[in-house]
Amino acid sequence: SYELTQPLSVSVALGQTARITCGGNNIGSKNVHWYQQRPGQAPVLVIYRDINRPSGIPERFSGSNSGNTATLTINRAQAGDEADYYCQVWDTSAVFGGGTKLTVL
Amino acid sequence: VQLLESGGGLVQRGGSLRLSCAASGFAFSSYAISWVRQASAKGLEWVSVLSDSGAGTKYAESVKGRFTISRDNSKNTVYLQMNSLRAEDTAVYYCAKEPSGSGAYNWFDSWGQGTLVTVSS
Repeated sequence: SYELTQPLSVSVALGQTARITCGGNNIGSKNVHWYQQRPGQAPVLVIYRDINRPSGIPERFSGSNSGNTATLTINRAQAGDEADYYCQVWDTSAVFGGGTKLTVL
Repeated sequence: VQLLESGGGLVQRGGSLRLSCAASGFAFSSYAISWVRQASAKGLEWVSVLSDSGAGTKYAESVKGRFTISRDNSKNTVYLQMNSLRAEDTAVYYCAKEPSGSGAYNWFDSWGQGTLVTVSS
């Protein structure tokens, strides 16, 4: 089965840029989607099909995908961005990465 | 778009439970719905998807043969019948809407708040 690998944690200084990676075999050939989950809340879609932002998601959130790595980039990180972030693809079923806890210092 | 799960609770190992996901605010019969679960302090795990018409279903290997997904488009509701429950099925179960009706190769654009299922051993 297809596997997605994310770092357990990423830290970023307030106002700086955070990058969260999602690794998978030739993931660049797949559509990657990203979700934000704040503590005690349901996940929220922040990026779909590699680079697209749903309405209501700030332009500070962007995505890229090439080769074996997809990346979620959060510019000008804010305290409210502290959350768990999950990447997801569809293989023979929906597959999620293990999640990355983003800490804003 | 609103999705509201219900039906969670405490059940003994080997028992059964039926979860419901009531939808509103969109053309329910045109969209696939998935169930995704999350054990405490763990990551997200996709469980099952049902296409818009109800004709297409897929299941995670971990629940295949034990869980059944269905929908009643007249009631704007999706169900997850869970049988032969195991301790490892303990989780918050979310229903999530997909952006099309096919139920494959998609993402989840809206989520409910989840319902907790606890399987006691």
